[in-house]
Amino acid sequence: EVQLVESGGGLVQPGGSLRLSCAASGFSFSDYWMHWVRQAPGKGPVWVSRVNSDGSSTTYADSVKGRFTISRDNAKNTLYLQMNSLRAEDTAVYYCARSQWLPDDAFNMWGQGTMVTVSS
Amino acid sequence: EIVLTQSPVTLSLSPGERATLSCRASQSVRSNHLTWYQQKPGQAPRLLIYGASRRATDIPDRFSGSGSGTDFTLTISRLEPEDFAVYYCQQYGSSPQTFGQGTKVEIK
Repeated sequence: EVQLVESGGGLVQPGGSLRLSCAASGFSFSDYWMHWVRQAPGKGPVWVSRVNSDGSSTTYADSVKGRFTISRDNAKNTLYLQMNSLRAEDTAVYYCARSQWLPDDAFNMWGQGTMVTVSS
Repeated sequence: EIVLTQSPVTLSLSPGERATLSCRASQSVRSNHLTWYQQKPGQAPRLLIYGASRRATDIPDRFSGSGSGTDFTLTISRLEPEDFAVYYCQQYGSSPQTFGQGTKVEIK
């Protein structure tokens, strides 16, 4: 089955860290740019970060630059998001998503999302 | 960054009616790189339209997209019960790619 499955979300205190994972299956993971997109409750989605097909190029939204790190392991078909120095405003559902073709492109595949709550 | 403003915020219609959703960009969207997504409660967004007017795989032809530059429209020709949801536009012509705040299509 062609799918993306996120894991690793949970409740964390402000200033804490969390590592999200996204397991891909059913397609050639190493061929695609991959992204993290987050969505706060009741709000629209917000792009967070992207990584190229071999993991050598990464880009971040200004709001997470210096705190979050995106990476991938193509041998394990897995995408990661290391989140440090978490803030209340990072609270959201985090989705991994696949670019259609280009680095910036329509997202034609999404995971089911994992909830991250930053609160004391 | 490009700000996308969607209108209306809520659209109250009956099944069988036509829905017209608007997405306006704060500056021109390069190459009409504009998408539309549908999202139902507790689910991830689902790609409907990319490149402003191209239907994604397996999307029914009652969904159509149009527009260019700064003004884009998603039209649902005849609403089916499963179409009541929130719709988001996204531009990917300029970095960072950005999303609108959504239009909720609800049953009247």
